[in-house]
Amino acid sequence: AQSVTQLGSHVSVSEGALVLLRCNYSSSVPPYLFWYVQYPNQGLQLLLKYTSAATLVKGINGFEAEFKKSETSFHLTKPSAHMSDAAEYFCAVSESGGSNYKLTFGKGTLLTVNP
Amino acid sequence: ETGVTQTPRHLVMGMTNKKSLKCEQHLGHNAMYWYKQSAKKPLELMFVYSLEERVENNSVPSRFSPECPNSSHLFLHLHTLQPEDSALYLCASSQTTGIHEQYFGPGTRLTVT
Repeated sequence: AQSVTQLGSHVSVSEGALVLLRCNYSSSVPPYLFWYVQYPNQGLQLLLKYTSAATLVKGINGFEAEFKKSETSFHLTKPSAHMSDAAEYFCAVSESGGSNYKLTFGKGTLLTVNP
Repeated sequence: ETGVTQTPRHLVMGMTNKKSLKCEQHLGHNAMYWYKQSAKKPLELMFVYSLEERVENNSVPSRFSPECPNSSHLFLHLHTLQPEDSALYLCASSQTTGIHEQYFGPGTRLTVT
C-alpha cells in the first residue's frame, strides 16, 4: 500500500522568499512521485514528476523537487516566491508496476504569498 | 476546446433529483478517471475507464453511475444523493492506464440540498 503525508496544511511566505513544501511517502515498491498545483476554481495541473531518472526534478514555474530515498521524501522548493504561486499544492505517489494508474494524493498544502 | 473540459461547472440538486456530469477530453487519450475532492480530505479515486471499459470501481455507492460511451467522453450519472456527496468532482485522462501522468479538468462543484 502507498501513502503520502504532506506536513503543514498551510504555508505562508513573503514574496521573494524561499518556498518549501514538504512531502513524505511510503511505498512497497519503487515509487513514481508527482507534485500538482490547483489554483482557485480550477483542476489540478502537473508541476513535475519523478520516474526513477534524475533525483532532482525541475518543473514548471521555477519549481523543483528532490527525491531522497533514505528519507522517503519528495519536498517541493522554489527559490523566490511570486504572488502568482498562491495556490494549493498536492503531492502524489503511484507504484512503478501493477496498477500504476492509481495516484494516491496527500491532503494538500495551501500556499499563501504575502506582499 | 483543448485539454479536459467538464460541464456543468456548478450544480445544485435536491436529494431526489437525477442529474449527470459530463467530461470530454481533447487529448486523444485512452484512459479516463473520476475523482471526488472533499474539503480537508485527499482526492478519492472513484472510477477508471480504459478504452471504454471500466477497470476500477473504488467501492463507490450505487447512487453514482459512470458511463463511458467512447474514449473521449465520460459521464457520471447521479441519483438520490446525500448531502455528504457535496464536493468537487474532477475528471482526468491519461494516454493509457500504464502512463502515470494524468490531466485534470476544472471540476464540477456539486451541492446536494
